[in-house]
Amino acid sequence: DADVTQTPRNRITKTGKRIMLECSQTKGHDRMYWYRQDPGLGLRLIYYSFDVKDINKGEISDGYSVSRQAQAKFSLSLESAIPNQTALYFCATSEDLAVEQFFGPGTRLTVL
Amino acid sequence: GQSLEQPSEVTAVEGAIVQINCTYQTSGFYGLSWYQQHDGGAPTFLSYNALDGLEETGRFSSFLSRSDSYGYLLLQELQMKDSASYFCAVRDNNAGNMLTFGGGTRLMVKP
Repeated sequence: DADVTQTPRNRITKTGKRIMLECSQTKGHDRMYWYRQDPGLGLRLIYYSFDVKDINKGEISDGYSVSRQAQAKFSLSLESAIPNQTALYFCATSEDLAVEQFFGPGTRLTVL
Repeated sequence: GQSLEQPSEVTAVEGAIVQINCTYQTSGFYGLSWYQQHDGGAPTFLSYNALDGLEETGRFSSFLSRSDSYGYLLLQELQMKDSASYFCAVRDNNAGNMLTFGGGTRLMVKP
């Protein structure tokens, strides 16, 4: 059983549509993260959350919003999708102050 | 801000040793991590260095020189399954201890 799950795994949508990507974890970690991966650019941090009441912007938060519904759930929304948001999106978790982050399987999003 | 540089591609033969370098610029360096990512897969943690020196974990070792803002990942006795992308990532205490990733090095292991 996967410890960090993401839904959907693949999504194709059109410009201007609202999209939500969901992440759930069974690791009991307080910290959760959303990253975006583009070829040659590594992973870039979009938003992160240290607990249910704590949400912080990352390097590239413009055009995105998040919701931490519970310790185990962290959702990423694109309010009005645009083609340059086509990318691979990863959710990750970690224990407080821990070095290691645990990544979900990723969501491949295509915006036409 | 932070920036990291690593080679985009490295090719090596099975059984050989390969070194993947990473140089970084950051204002509040805390430590350097390495992650492995196979095609179509998720990144997985390999190692972390906060202090100068070499950390060894089986066939993989990671080195850090804080004074040179430089680190490397050393892979020994290469196997075909080591073909993957390898990312260095800086943990920055001026950025909430968040990770900033390099662009990744694609390692191709040939028979």
